[in-house]
Amino acid sequence: DGGITQSPKYLFRKEGQNVTLSCEQNLNHDAMYWYRQDPGQGLRLIYYSQIVNDFQKGDIAEGYSVSREKKESFPLTVTSAQKNPTAFYLCACSTSGSSYEQYFGPGTRLTVT
Amino acid sequence: GENVEQHPSTLSVQEGDSAVIKCTYSDSASNYFPWYKQELGKGPQLIIDIRSNVGEKKDQRIAVTLNKTAKHFSLHITETQPEDSAVYFCAAKRDTGFQKLVFGTGTRLLVSP
Repeated sequence: DGGITQSPKYLFRKEGQNVTLSCEQNLNHDAMYWYRQDPGQGLRLIYYSQIVNDFQKGDIAEGYSVSREKKESFPLTVTSAQKNPTAFYLCACSTSGSSYEQYFGPGTRLTVT
Repeated sequence: GENVEQHPSTLSVQEGDSAVIKCTYSDSASNYFPWYKQELGKGPQLIIDIRSNVGEKKDQRIAVTLNKTAKHFSLHITETQPEDSAVYFCAAKRDTGFQKLVFGTGTRLLVSP
């Protein structure tokens, strides 16, 4: 997982509560990403950020929010507006917007009941 | 936009056999094709990638082939070992500006001893 961390590994919340997932990297990478992974659906892009203080919606941004106040950090908030929040969430980073390899964190499994 | 299809969804082989996973993509402008391996409870890790200026790339027991005319690319694993058991994802992207990676839906490979 080389230099990108996510915490916690498992997270449990009650329906109607907002929850924030942490993602930190020490690779000095400019770009960071959040993906959601569900069985049989691969990885779907939620939000991405190319530089500090800038971010864009991905394919499934509804019910999520992000911030990018520091280069090293890209927290994801799962709001109560997300209809089906239970999933495995993966954060990734890459060296620049047009670069190639994305380095993934270990993921956070969120369960909302 | 880009769409990546991946087959098969599951693949069972005996140790020592070869395994082949195939992907097709829709965007003829895509020119970067990585393969990621995801072990249980972990984030995906890049194992090999190929760019459109080559037709084949090999790294020890793994190889990737690319057919740009047919818009498909494949992962080949020879002499499989139990530790190759994992979920494998293909992906595709354009290599111009900031273009997101589009992932296939994954192949669960099981190598039996």
